[in-house]
Amino acid sequence: EDKVVQSPLSLVVHEGDTVTLNCSYEVTNFRSLLWYKQEKKAPTFLFMLTSSGIEKKSGRLSSILDKKELFSILNITATQTGDSAIYLCAETSGSRLTFGEGTQLTVNP
Amino acid sequence: DGGITQSPKYLFRKEGQNVTLSCEQNLNHDAMYWYRQDPGQGLRLIYYSQIVNDFQKGDIAEGYSVSREKKESFPLTVTSAQKNPTAFYLCASRRSFTSNEQFFGPGTRLTVL
Repeated sequence: EDKVVQSPLSLVVHEGDTVTLNCSYEVTNFRSLLWYKQEKKAPTFLFMLTSSGIEKKSGRLSSILDKKELFSILNITATQTGDSAIYLCAETSGSRLTFGEGTQLTVNP
Repeated sequence: DGGITQSPKYLFRKEGQNVTLSCEQNLNHDAMYWYRQDPGQGLRLIYYSQIVNDFQKGDIAEGYSVSREKKESFPLTVTSAQKNPTAFYLCASRRSFTSNEQFFGPGTRLTVL
């Protein structure tokens, strides 16, 4: 059975801190890994990762995939209160996406 | 404007009543999905459909039912058998079940009184 595990489940930081969110996976035929940000509404797409070692970057957010060790990280530098959200990762190998439990990030002023 | 619509945005029902949540997409996507989300938690899959007139149970199908009579529509019924139906419900679609990206609707927040 495909499995995606995120850590930590919850994280509280101060504005300006840098955070690293983790996502590990166990799947039979890996295809891609997705990161989403969810505030109090539908998840919004952040990154899609298919190749190992290639960093994807968007402003203060970046993500990278390690297909040998079966994990991905999402980095957020110089965090802002607007970064407070649930961050979800999902793997797309099957007919359905397999989501992790999410990391609840809270950025305090 | 292409996308996924869900209605209503907020829904209140009395305990013991069935309720149907609407999900429509005009993206011409084959695959559609229903997720449930409880406060501070990730997404749990209720049902999904890879093609018209076919659907499969997800991880938490008990107390729910779906239909897929048209490609663009995938309504979810929350029945009285669902013990704790108050939650945020998200509908999503993919071009096909082999596609990587998945698109989400805006969600319906159901409160059972």
